[in-house]
Order: sequence, then C-alpha cells, then structure tokens
Amino acid sequence: DAGVIQSPRHEVTEMGQEVTLRCKPISGHDYLFWYRQTMMRGLELLIYFNNNVPIDDSGMPEDRFSAKMPNASFSTLKIQPSEPRDSAVYFCASSNLAEGRETQYFGPGTRLLVL
Amino acid sequence: AQSVTQPDIHITVSEGASLELRCNYSYGATPYLFWYVQSPGQGLQLLLKYFSGDTLVQGIKGFEAEFKRSQSSFNLRKPSVHWSDAAEYFCAVGFNTGKLIFGQGTTLQVKP
Repeated sequence: DAGVIQSPRHEVTEMGQEVTLRCKPISGHDYLFWYRQTMMRGLELLIYFNNNVPIDDSGMPEDRFSAKMPNASFSTLKIQPSEPRDSAVYFCASSNLAEGRETQYFGPGTRLLVL
Repeated sequence: AQSVTQPDIHITVSEGASLELRCNYSYGATPYLFWYVQSPGQGLQLLLKYFSGDTLVQGIKGFEAEFKRSQSSFNLRKPSVHWSDAAEYFCAVGFNTGKLIFGQGTTLQVKP
C-alpha cells in the first residue's frame, strides 16, 4: 500500500491567501484525522471523520479553518484567510476499526509557511 | 483531564548503549498506548502499541515497551541504540473515542 498521501509537501503563501491541503487515506481505512504540529503546542488533533462524516471538530482553531471529506479516498483542509500563526506542519492520518481506530497511520505532512 | 507526560525533552546516548524513554499518563482507566517515531522532516511512524494482554510489547526496529499499571507508565526501551535511531519519539494514549493525545516528545541524540 502507498500509505497516506498528502499534498503539497511544502506550501509558502502570503497572509490573507487561501490554502488548501489535501489527503488521500490508506485504502480501506474508514477514519481520517487532521493534526497540526507546532513547536509551542506539539501535536494537536484538529478534526476527524468516520465514513466521510465529521465526528469531532472541537480542535479546529476558528472559522477560518474548514475540512471536508467528499469521498472515502480524499479529504481537504482549507484555511481562508491564512495568517502567519497558521504556520505549522499539518498531518493527515487514517485508521480502520478492524485494527483499532486509534492505530493511526500518518502521512508525511504538509509544511505550511504563511508570510 | 487526560494527559500524557514525557519527562525528558532531550536524551543523548552513545551508540550501542541501552535506551529507555519515559511516558506517564493520567487517566482513570487503562488507555490504549502507543509509541511513534518522527525523523526530521518526516511523518510519524508507529513503533508499537498496547491494547491489553501481555504488558511487554514488541515493536519494530528492535524496540519494546512495558506497561505498568501501578505507575501509569509505558516506557520505551531498546537494548542497543544505533545511530539511525536518532529522532523524536512520541508517546500517545487513546481512550476508545478515536482520538489520540500525544506527549510533547523526546528528542534522541546518538553519539558515535
């Protein structure tokens, strides 16, 4: 299996611009998670989906952030408008109930820099 | 509140020496327990996990971890460290909700 795929791997944008991060989970996984990693706050769960439905978005920082999962093989995390404090590494992870939804497999991450 | 503590922010060991990374959690019941490793510029790789049963768990790359209920700990060990083990290590706990809570991480440096 190719593992979790994320794109782009790096993104540099200017404050106020829209940013869209993409994720393809492992085939057959029915849970998808979005995390953010910063030096100050470590790894934080932003939102997770089960069978394409958002289950818990309590970690989404504010209305500028939105996430969608239109089908089982694709999810997006959008920031609009972006701010310098959004600079971080964003990870997508996936899991399945058979192995345990907490047994999460991570993608390589998207390194976002907002200038 | 549920929490995970990795007391050591940074550890340096010599190549070939043994390694133990500490992890403590705060929770009323036994959670699911995980160790992940992150190499620079990479994503997190699952090393091992504990759900139930035998409290000594074997993982990939020669790592093992022991769950101690009385100490609320899940320490990671390796008998002989290799230079390629230099990375950041994260302990995580899950509570059968799907969510994982991660510790702040321990950076391992390996001296030649």
